[in-house]
Amino acid sequence: AQKVTQAQTEISVVEKEDVTLDCVYETRDTTYYLFWYKQPPSGELVFLIRRNSFDEQNEISGRYSWNFQKSTSSFNFTITASQVVDSAVYFCALNDYKLSFGAGTTVTVRA
Amino acid sequence: ETGVTQTPRHLVMGMTNKKSLKCEQHLGHNAMYWYKQSAKKPLELMFVYSLEERVENNSVPSRFSPECPNSSHLFLHLHTLQPEDSALYLCASSQDGSSGGFTGELFFGEGSRLTVL
Repeated sequence: AQKVTQAQTEISVVEKEDVTLDCVYETRDTTYYLFWYKQPPSGELVFLIRRNSFDEQNEISGRYSWNFQKSTSSFNFTITASQVVDSAVYFCALNDYKLSFGAGTTVTVRA
Repeated sequence: ETGVTQTPRHLVMGMTNKKSLKCEQHLGHNAMYWYKQSAKKPLELMFVYSLEERVENNSVPSRFSPECPNSSHLFLHLHTLQPEDSALYLCASSQDGSSGGFTGELFFGEGSRLTVL
């Protein structure tokens, strides 16, 4: 069974639109960490954020924001006022005893 | 220099060839990883080395053979591969890594795109 589910395979938006990426995870542990990574066309995955299971505060970093809700086991990611440079594959990951990645969501931002 | 460097970036090989992928990290980390990324599939963890010792081997076929001569270098030796092994192979490093208990982020290289004919 997949531990991290990113239900959206592809999302296409026009520049300046907001885009929200869903991530649902599954774990029996009470202590765990959640991550988001961005993979631009160059290939390397770039770390965006880490959140531990005891910190449910939402976080904002520039145009990026994250909504962590333990009650629904979700850790969603929103890009506000998207730009063409945001086009990439975005991965959600869970580390309970082992790091598991979701299948990724491809975001295409059109000018 | 970038944090994690992978060579070659692209590799085409026949099923009978022997080749190696190389990864070097300049971040002073003590753990290194090989991941396989195939189209439309989650990243698959292949191997983990912590302090130069292999701590995880995720049922990877023996035609893939990792080597970690020191904490900065990681190799993936390839022989008699199959076409389904064509994928992007990503190397990563972290600090205080182990198969269980690491909490930090991974730093990835740009990957080696492998095509097996």
